[in-house]
Amino acid sequence: AQRVTQPEKLLSVFKGAPVELKCNYSYSGSPELFWYVQYSRQRLQLLLRHISRESIKGFTADLNKGETSFHLKKPFAQEEDSAMYYCALGGFGNEKLTFGTGTRLTIIP
Amino acid sequence: GAVVSQHPSWVICKSGTSVKIECRSLDFQATTMFWYRQFPKQSLMLMATSNEGSKATYEQGVEKDKFLINHASLTLSTLTVTSAHPEDSSFYICSAPRGTGSVEQYFGPGTRLTVT
Repeated sequence: AQRVTQPEKLLSVFKGAPVELKCNYSYSGSPELFWYVQYSRQRLQLLLRHISRESIKGFTADLNKGETSFHLKKPFAQEEDSAMYYCALGGFGNEKLTFGTGTRLTIIP
Repeated sequence: GAVVSQHPSWVICKSGTSVKIECRSLDFQATTMFWYRQFPKQSLMLMATSNEGSKATYEQGVEKDKFLINHASLTLSTLTVTSAHPEDSSFYICSAPRGTGSVEQYFGPGTRLTVT
């Protein structure tokens, strides 16, 4: 069964401080991991996916298959980063996504 | 980028009535669409997979007779909540894959349903 765990429901970080949002997954096949973000009063949108290995808005995430983790990191938080972040898991060839419970990130000015 | 729209964005209905929510892919075709339900301050729960030209696939625990899904065309899927009850009040979100077989999805803005 697919499962995604985001242990922190709420996370508050001071502006300029590093951010790490944790995500662990459980999947028997070859996983595809995503981070989606939902800003206030906006729709869910893709932030990044592990395949692309890119940095979006200063965020990065590395897939660690040994630890089954896909933590989201940013070295210096900005106020506009305040949002709800969801880690999501899919499988190659399988269009269904399984979402974690989400972490609400608040950046303190 | 690709856009998915939903209509209405907000609806209030009386208990016992039915309400239809539309999900459209505006500039791309989607043979598959997904319907999610989101409770306040909770995650998205996949309800069903809508398949163009065939029956929807429902997740375990979702009543198919209560949540009717019709994927009438390559750009439109509808979710009808039948005989709505207050406990059906929720935020309903649809999504469509970026491409056939793609896991990456585009999400609609959601529809807030309130049943009185």
